[in-house]
Amino acid sequence: GAGVSQSPRYKVAKRGQDVALRCDPISGHVSLFWYQQALGQGPEFLTYFQNEAQLDKSGLPSDRFFAERPEGSVSTLKIQRTQQEDSAVYLCASSLEGFSLSDNEQFFGPGTRLTVL
Amino acid sequence: TQLLEQSPQFLSIQEGENLTVYCNSSSVFSSLQWYRQEPGEGPVLLVTVVTGGEVKKLKRLTFQFGDARKDSSLHITAAQPGDTGLYLCAGDPDQAGTALIFGKGTTLSVSS
Repeated sequence: GAGVSQSPRYKVAKRGQDVALRCDPISGHVSLFWYQQALGQGPEFLTYFQNEAQLDKSGLPSDRFFAERPEGSVSTLKIQRTQQEDSAVYLCASSLEGFSLSDNEQFFGPGTRLTVL
Repeated sequence: TQLLEQSPQFLSIQEGENLTVYCNSSSVFSSLQWYRQEPGEGPVLLVTVVTGGEVKKLKRLTFQFGDARKDSSLHITAAQPGDTGLYLCAGDPDQAGTALIFGKGTTLSVSS
């Protein structure tokens, strides 16, 4: 079965440009998470969806960051007016969500490496 | 804010050596997970520990959850070059499918 996929894998943007990063979760997975991972660091939570509802966006660093999941499957993370400090790997993860520990296991995509020049 | 401190940050050893990576917090977690991440890939789950004092083994890897569920360790016996990678611990605050809190990771390099 297919895992979590993300596109593009690499994105180079000039400072001030808008970018859109796509995540295709595992089919049937209810929960979807976005994380930001700086070079040599662990992932940091950005936002969380349960189906189409964005239940937690406390990790979004500024109002330039926006995420959506309109039909409860594919999600897009948009960054407006990119800055150099936005350069990082953006990871998407999905989970089935349920009562058992295994249901809540998060499966990660390969990430999108964003470089802002 | 719950934080996870990992140590050491970098580890470079020879094939055959043993090593231990530590993950510590002042907060209690309902569960703690260990991931391994290779360059250009997302983290891959190795193990989840839930019960205080729990020990889990995965071939040459031994994972332990502290009695108070605030810390964990990963011990690798007879490390091999294939063990090279970034090891991340992650805590689940309430096991309700919410966001994981990750440590900063330990970069392990095993040379032959």
